[in-house]
Amino acid sequence: GEDVEQSLFLSVREGDSSVINCTYTDSSSTYLYWYKQEPGAGLQLLTYIFSNMDMKQDQRLTVLLNKKDKHLSLRIADTQTGDSAIYFCAETQGGKLIFGQGTELSVKP
Amino acid sequence: ETGVTQTPRHLVMGMTNKKSLKCEQHLGHNAMYWYKQSAKKPLELMFVYSLEERVENNSVPSRFSPECPNSSHLFLHLHTLQPEDSALYLCASSQDGTVGAFFGQGTRLTVV
Repeated sequence: GEDVEQSLFLSVREGDSSVINCTYTDSSSTYLYWYKQEPGAGLQLLTYIFSNMDMKQDQRLTVLLNKKDKHLSLRIADTQTGDSAIYFCAETQGGKLIFGQGTELSVKP
Repeated sequence: ETGVTQTPRHLVMGMTNKKSLKCEQHLGHNAMYWYKQSAKKPLELMFVYSLEERVENNSVPSRFSPECPNSSHLFLHLHTLQPEDSALYLCASSQDGTVGAFFGQGTRLTVV
């Protein structure tokens, strides 16, 4: 399949909002996902959105989905130093999870 | 713990060695996966097992040999690896293969 694309780096100050963007390729993806990977760890499923929704909010996390543009975003409100990690978006292609390269979020105090 | 356990966490092996990576899931899922994560590259899906049958083999070299003896266990047998095979190997499981996946902590493999 084609690539799922993300910007590689994002740096924000503690307390600010972070917005991580992703462009996916398969319009038939039923679910789209955000995963978080902390240093030395595996991937943790952070949140997901069903393809018939355009927004999902879960505490500090807001996921926006624009199906027309195949654009997915993750907003983290009041970003904390513990949010520093790599964030992967993923789509399903033929039942398989296909990941972007990941966005490294750096939170500065 | 995430419900998916991988051992060992770290492995250093020579190019002539044979070793195995182990993955165990306690989530009752029916599909299991091996992914390879190399620096500066997207996660690469290597193998997919669904109901203990291999349903995906993404052009992985034969020096990687998966085994799924039951729905809770997945192995990756390694032999005559190359230095470029050094990476983080991640195991994941899911139910029905479509609603996301849960990952283990990974095995950091270094081939010397």
